[in-house]
Amino acid sequence: DARVTQTPRHKVTEMGQEVTMRCQPILGHNTVFWYRQTMMQGLELLAYFRNRAPLDDSGMPKDRFSAEMPDATLATLKIQPSEPRDSAVYFCASGLTGGGNQPQHFGDGTRLSIL
Amino acid sequence: SQQGEEDPQALSIQEGENATMNCSYKTSINNLQWYRQNSGRGLVHLILIRSNEREKHSGRLRVTLDTSKKSSSLLITASRAADTASYFCATVLQSGGGFKTIFGAGTRLFVKA
Repeated sequence: DARVTQTPRHKVTEMGQEVTMRCQPILGHNTVFWYRQTMMQGLELLAYFRNRAPLDDSGMPKDRFSAEMPDATLATLKIQPSEPRDSAVYFCASGLTGGGNQPQHFGDGTRLSIL
Repeated sequence: SQQGEEDPQALSIQEGENATMNCSYKTSINNLQWYRQNSGRGLVHLILIRSNEREKHSGRLRVTLDTSKKSSSLLITASRAADTASYFCATVLQSGGGFKTIFGAGTRLFVKA
């Protein structure tokens, strides 16, 4: 079965460091989503790409977060500088456009701890 | 506040019993989807019900949608220990030129063997 691949699976670093998370969407999928999951806030949408173009990044703190899709096989989410409150599990999901009637396929996430 | 809110927050049942989870939402939707998340894993899509549908089945899953009450329910029949997971409803609504998916806080289901 095709899967969304996220790397790294775990990341522990000190505050102030740059963090880069990577996602390989399922081949042929043209939408990519970045989510952040915490116990307090649940699953929050950070950014959404269609055909590699950012459509919605209103959920992302712009001063320190950035999301890009350098090509159709790679999406990245960067945090610089990182802060302890960024500790969370970050999920990437991919899917197909289709009037909204398409499921999202999730990776297994990057568990990020900022000390 | 959340567009989709599930209840109960947690549910513990015996294997073989049925599990019912509910989801309420606030605005008009294009469709509603249910996802499952096992511990330490990503969400897995279970079933999608469109706004013009009232009920849908998939194996041991039954989903209902009442757009007048802005609510949906997910029924898992003859539960198994392997059904232990968190279950999320996701409402899909039109936003700008596309669609937006908003996930609820989830119901944690524990099925005791």
